[in-house]
Amino acid sequence: DVKVTQSSRYLVKRTGEKVFLECVQDMDHENMFWYRQDPGLGLRLIYFSYDVKMKEKGDIPEGYSVSREKKERFSLILESASTNQTSMYLCASSPQGPYEQYFGPGTRLTVT
Amino acid sequence: GQNIDQPTEMTATEGAIVQINCTYQTSGFNGLFWYQQHAGEAPTFLSYNVLDGLEEKGRFSSFLSRSKGYSYLLLKELQMKDSASYLCAVHGASGGSYIPTFGRGTSLIVHP
Repeated sequence: DVKVTQSSRYLVKRTGEKVFLECVQDMDHENMFWYRQDPGLGLRLIYFSYDVKMKEKGDIPEGYSVSREKKERFSLILESASTNQTSMYLCASSPQGPYEQYFGPGTRLTVT
Repeated sequence: GQNIDQPTEMTATEGAIVQINCTYQTSGFNGLFWYQQHAGEAPTFLSYNVLDGLEEKGRFSSFLSRSKGYSYLLLKELQMKDSASYLCAVHGASGGSYIPTFGRGTSLIVHP
């Protein structure tokens, strides 16, 4: 059974804190993605990675960075959390090519 | 760039048929995906179209017309459990990577 896991389901952080969201997939997929999902705005791509140590900006990268040191792990970093980063964060992976994505359960992050 | 439009909300009756439309404008096209997302859960893959025509999968079918930039998801014999958000995603291309862009999702409410 394919699996994408995320480190936390719920997270509460204070403004200015550094936040790490971890995502691990066990399918040996080349591509990994980070999205945020907000009511009325749908899924918006923050960053994606198509190989180890490779990353590309998505539609809304400002205020975020990523790290992919191993093929199975893709981390999203909020350098200095702000209240407008309160959101649901979804990680996904897929094989190289136009294949379906497999999503993790999501992390609901609240920044106070 | 990519622009994807789908209705925000639809309602239907249990046992009926519903059609959810998706129109898109893209600079490159490598396939269109439909996902289902129940409240509080991750999106899960439903269907994939890359050539024109209808793909049938049990109660769900998906249609694509590339020349019109149009797709629809058809749900037959609706059940209460079909109440969910349905996401249309188009795969473009970026430097050899296949990058999906999601529509904002259509919230389907099935009532008895």
